[in-house]
Amino acid sequence: GAGVSQSPSNKVTEKGKDVELRCDPISGHTALYWYRQSLGQGLEFLIYFQGNSAPDKSGLPSDRFSAERTGGSVSTLTIQRTQQEDSAVYLCASKRTVQETQYFGPGTRLLVL
Amino acid sequence: DQQVKQNSPSLSVQEGRISILNCDYTNSMFDYFLWYKKYPAEGPTFLISISSIKDKNEDGRFTVFLNKSAKHLSLHIVPSQPGDSAVYFCAARLLHGSGNTGKLIFGQGTTLQVKP
Repeated sequence: GAGVSQSPSNKVTEKGKDVELRCDPISGHTALYWYRQSLGQGLEFLIYFQGNSAPDKSGLPSDRFSAERTGGSVSTLTIQRTQQEDSAVYLCASKRTVQETQYFGPGTRLLVL
Repeated sequence: DQQVKQNSPSLSVQEGRISILNCDYTNSMFDYFLWYKKYPAEGPTFLISISSIKDKNEDGRFTVFLNKSAKHLSLHIVPSQPGDSAVYFCAARLLHGSGNTGKLIFGQGTTLQVKP
């Protein structure tokens, strides 16, 4: 499997609970992005990791959202005290530094009840 | 502030005809544009791209046109096939510079239906 993988594929949680979403980028891709797609909306940038550089967190909607990337590979996006408006598809993408094309994973569909 | 806009939420065309999907942008600092295609329950897949130094890029049945003066790009699919039915997203990247992350700004998407 050479593509970007994400887990879980679906997550249903109760309001107020914390959730953790995982992304495994394509091997050798140093850049990693998180986006989310709310119902009827386009993809919204959340956060970007590039190698050992400080991440660009400018798209995170609130301080309940955080992400980390350990060892320059796997990344986890954590949402604390989830709210119903957090319900969306969370997409991860990776690319080689010099490439322009980002390759997306299948996404995690999060539903907050 | 929506910097990339796809004003048509849906488009329906007959198989074999041309599909034209449109995208408008507001930021003249965008230097690279991409089209992604998305099937239900899947992540977006890259389709075709164009640099701002070009006005046309062609790949098989897919052609992207860029009109910088109008800040408009379009994706032409000809001939359209039923398997092309999907959501199409236009995306733009800010001009490379120090600190640029290469993050993409996406439009809202256009759902294309190609009827047999």
